[in-house]
Amino acid sequence: GNSVTQMEGPVTLSEEAFLTINCTYTATGYPSLFWYVQYPGEGLQLLLKATKADDKGSNKGFEATYRKETTSFHLEKGSVQVSDSAVYFCALSDPGIQGAQKLVFGQGTRLTINP
Amino acid sequence: GAVVSQHPSRVICKSGTSVKIECRSLDFQATTMFWYRQFPKKSLMLMATSNEGSKATYEQGVEKDKFLINHASLTLSTLTVTSAHPEDSSFYICSASQGTGFLKQFFGPGTRLTVL
Repeated sequence: GNSVTQMEGPVTLSEEAFLTINCTYTATGYPSLFWYVQYPGEGLQLLLKATKADDKGSNKGFEATYRKETTSFHLEKGSVQVSDSAVYFCALSDPGIQGAQKLVFGQGTRLTINP
Repeated sequence: GAVVSQHPSRVICKSGTSVKIECRSLDFQATTMFWYRQFPKKSLMLMATSNEGSKATYEQGVEKDKFLINHASLTLSTLTVTSAHPEDSSFYICSASQGTGFLKQFFGPGTRLTVL
């Protein structure tokens, strides 16, 4: 079945450092790919998405490119801030029964940014 | 953005009792709601998908008699863990979507269940 594997955390960086969180997937067909972020005490929020190969999703300085040849969707940010501290989940959409699109998540990567 | 709430945020119960968790969409009508379970340091696992007014569709391996899901209105879905046991202790998260097919899902903050 479809699955998502992402970089194990926790990841600790200093402010203004470059961030990469790796994500690879296994899927049949052509899923859409997502990054979700969960800030402390809050629900998951959609950070960015890409719906087809070579698409680049971007938001709040974060970027990820849908790479079909390497089945990857790595998350990057050029200069992180303390406010980026959160748990990041990579996910793919998986058409389910009756057309309901299900999300398959990676295990999450906890990111801590120190001032 | 759209807001989804869950209640309670934490619950501790004795083994053998039943626990109900509510998921509400506060400012939109949720045609479809999803229930996930998250184990420590593991990914979110989809338990079931529910559409308003119809029976929930459970994922393989999820006991539907153990985890009762009701989606009686467009703003409320409930998950009842029946005859809870310590192995049911987990973090339960719901999400809500405004339709079938993939539309944006809005997630609740989760409910931590501890069964003693």
